[in-house]
Amino acid sequence: DAGVTQTPRHEVAEKGQTIILKCEPVSGHNDLFWYRQTKIQGLELLSYFRSKSLMEDGGAFKDRFKAEMLNSSFSTLKIQPTEPKDSAVYLCASSLGQGAYEQYFGPGTRLTVL
Amino acid sequence: GEQVEQRPPHLSVREGDSAVITCTYTDPNSYYFFWYKQEPGASLQLLMKVFSSTEINEGQGFTVLLNKKDKRLSLNLTAAHPGDSAAYFCAVSDSSGSWQLIFGSGTQLTVMP
Repeated sequence: DAGVTQTPRHEVAEKGQTIILKCEPVSGHNDLFWYRQTKIQGLELLSYFRSKSLMEDGGAFKDRFKAEMLNSSFSTLKIQPTEPKDSAVYLCASSLGQGAYEQYFGPGTRLTVL
Repeated sequence: GEQVEQRPPHLSVREGDSAVITCTYTDPNSYYFFWYKQEPGASLQLLMKVFSSTEINEGQGFTVLLNKKDKRLSLNLTAAHPGDSAAYFCAVSDSSGSWQLIFGSGTQLTVMP
């Protein structure tokens, strides 16, 4: 059974560019999460979907970060415009939901904004 | 909401020694607890899931203890080896029904030969 897949694995962007990160959750999972991971801030939740509905829109990340889930097997995270402080690893995770809480993480996308 | 504090942020031990990482949480209604391991350059890998009904859980080379009274969760690596060198994160389920996980800030473990 395939795990969570994320593409690209690495992304380099110029300041001000728009980038789109992609995630495919584990087949059959109902919940999908986007996190940002940095050494200083640790794991920060960006967005959370349950059965494709947006449950958490990221609070402080709302202005330039937009996650979408157009179908149950695909999600995107758009950052527009990018800033150097967005340089981080972006992790996608999925969960069966419905009382099963463990999240399974993808390999992540390492974003560098110059 | 739930808050999770993880200690220590960095831990160095010699091969064969034990290593203990501890998390404290605030919500007494929390029921599910998790430990994740993140090796360098890799993603988070689920190490163990713990229910609040069970206080001691043993895995391969480690033990997880849950003290509900003190709201403390600990990961004890017995006889650590260099392959255990990684970042470890605890996570606690949000009891409000959102099924989100609240993560600790992580512990970077280094096991020296």
